[in-house]
Amino acid sequence: AQSVTQPDIHITVSEGASLELRCNYSYGATPYLFWYVQSPGQGLQLLLKYFSGDTLVQGIKGFEAEFKRSQSSFNLRKPSVHWSDAAEYFCAVAPGGATNKLIFGTGTLLAVQP
Amino acid sequence: DTEVTQTPKHLVMGMTNKKSLKCEQHMGHRAMYWYKQKAKKPPELMFVYSYEKLSINESVPSRFSPECPNSSLLNLHLHALQPEDSALYLCASSQEDRIIQTQYFGPGTRLLVL
Repeated sequence: AQSVTQPDIHITVSEGASLELRCNYSYGATPYLFWYVQSPGQGLQLLLKYFSGDTLVQGIKGFEAEFKRSQSSFNLRKPSVHWSDAAEYFCAVAPGGATNKLIFGTGTLLAVQP
Repeated sequence: DTEVTQTPKHLVMGMTNKKSLKCEQHMGHRAMYWYKQKAKKPPELMFVYSYEKLSINESVPSRFSPECPNSSLLNLHLHALQPEDSALYLCASSQEDRIIQTQYFGPGTRLLVL
């Protein structure tokens, strides 16, 4: 069965430090991959998505993600974290053509220290 | 404009009440979704409407009744809810006529059932 794993439940980084959030998926073919961010009590905002082509994807708010087929990973990165980046981050997978069913990871809660 | 609006933002209801949640989008999307999200958990898909017809029902109890009156509007009617139904209810929409769909989420309605 398809699944998405975000190994880190909670991460704390200092403001200005770099960030990498991990996402691994389990699926036979290349799925469609998404990263969403959720601020406390808010809805989900799309950061970026990967469908095909260049494996390094640029998103909003200075985020990027790299698709690595050999590792079944789609890790999210940011070179310098801002205090406003504190939020919950969800990786999601749309297996195959059934893109109206997203499979979400369990999320990573990011805290930013001043 | 990638905005999905939801009303109300907060709702408190008793177990015998009847209430409705409303979701609206003006992006021309023809697929609309309801998700339920418990605290510190990822969103769980409840219903999907495609071209105003219910296409997916994830075995949701009948006390939740979705309705899609037109292509821009999605309602979720609530009746005889249980305290465990307290959660953040998220609406999303996507373009149904694309092979690869990106879901855009609203800010959610936070529901408390007493």
